[in-house]
Amino acid sequence: QKEVEQDPGPLSVPEGAIVSLNCTYSNSAFQYFMWYRQYSRKGPELLMYTYSSGNKEDGRFTAQVDKSSKYISLFIRDSQPSDSATYLCAMRTGGTSYGKLTFGQGTILTVHP
Amino acid sequence: NAGVTQTPKFQVLKTGQSMTLQCAQDMNHNSMYWYRQDPGMGLRLIYYSASEGTTDKGEVPNGYNVSRLNKREFSLRLESAAPSQTSVYFCASLDRTFEKLFFGSGTQLSVL
Repeated sequence: QKEVEQDPGPLSVPEGAIVSLNCTYSNSAFQYFMWYRQYSRKGPELLMYTYSSGNKEDGRFTAQVDKSSKYISLFIRDSQPSDSATYLCAMRTGGTSYGKLTFGQGTILTVHP
Repeated sequence: NAGVTQTPKFQVLKTGQSMTLQCAQDMNHNSMYWYRQDPGMGLRLIYYSASEGTTDKGEVPNGYNVSRLNKREFSLRLESAAPSQTSVYFCASLDRTFEKLFFGSGTQLSVL
């Protein structure tokens, strides 16, 4: 069983829809949680970073972490065609594990006009 | 500002051949990483260098070697390529202040 599970989709939504992307994990040592966005034939880029349980909002994006359920989510409001990409959840343990991330397999999202 | 530059972008090898993937960053970051990305597997860490002069194994190091040439450059070497090493390889450097990995655009490697 993978440490991080993410539904690969693909997910197709109309412009303006609210998108919900999710990951579950099994390692209770994970303390830091991120969402990366990857456009086709490009490297991933950091979208959101959270440490504690709860919500973090940045513009149209909200990251949610529930450590008790080992579940993280990313919500995209008012989705745009430019949001079409692969979204990867990532996480790491504490201490000096900077940059040593465990990734989900990614969810392919298409937002159509 | 180029960020993280990887070369080559594409490469086809025959089984048993060797090659080196080059990576350079111009952001003065201390830590650099090599990941591979395979369908259905996400990204997996191969090797990393926490600082100039140090390297350590990641999750999938077998069949690879690395060299941290200086603070800017971190190369990945395949000594004897195998079809299982067909993948997209990403180099990254870390902005530790914001805990943000900056990735290159990747090298698509096929081993026949």
